[in-house]
Amino acid sequence: DVKVTQSSRYLVKRTGEKVFLECVQDMDHENMFWYRQDPGLGLRLIYFSYDVKMKEKGDIPEGYSVSREKKERFSLILESASTNQTSMYLCASSLGVKTQYFGPGTRLLVL
Amino acid sequence: GNSVTQMEGPVTLSEEAFLTINCTYTATGYPSLFWYVQYPGEGLQLLLKATKADDKGSNKGFEATYRKETTSFHLEKGSVQVSDSAVYFCALSDRRGSGGSNYKLTFGKGTLLTVNP
Repeated sequence: DVKVTQSSRYLVKRTGEKVFLECVQDMDHENMFWYRQDPGLGLRLIYFSYDVKMKEKGDIPEGYSVSREKKERFSLILESASTNQTSMYLCASSLGVKTQYFGPGTRLLVL
Repeated sequence: GNSVTQMEGPVTLSEEAFLTINCTYTATGYPSLFWYVQYPGEGLQLLLKATKADDKGSNKGFEATYRKETTSFHLEKGSVQVSDSAVYFCALSDRRGSGGSNYKLTFGKGTLLTVNP
């Protein structure tokens, strides 16, 4: 079974802090994705990566950056957290056009 | 650009009722279509998919047919159970960016289903 794990299920941070969200997949998938999920807005793509060190902006990249130094790991970075980044963050991975597999999510609260 | 519109809900049904969640899409090419389900406190799981027109995806008693003429992919189940209570997302895949294999999903806003005993 494909496994996508995220470093934390719940996280509380202060405004202005630098926040790292980590995602690891164990199936050698080339594509990895970061989404945020908000009530009434569904899932919105922040960034994705189709290879090591390669990244592309999604629909809402402002205020975020990403890092993919190894194929299995994709990190989302909030350089200076703000309250409007309070959300559920979901990581996913896929092989080519095939199904995206999701992690359990990280619920981030920025105070 | 591509978009997915689905019934907003919430939808509340009694056990054994018939379920339909409507989903329509706008796409420039020939996308694949998906239904994902999110149970409380969990990430998304693929429920079913269809990759070309007239394909029917099915899983766990749920079905959806890819209708190109009406650009729809409605989710149906003949008899829902309490355990089907979850948020359901319709999505389409399209190719995006410069990489050779980077396909992304465009999601609808999700439909909360609650099934009462």
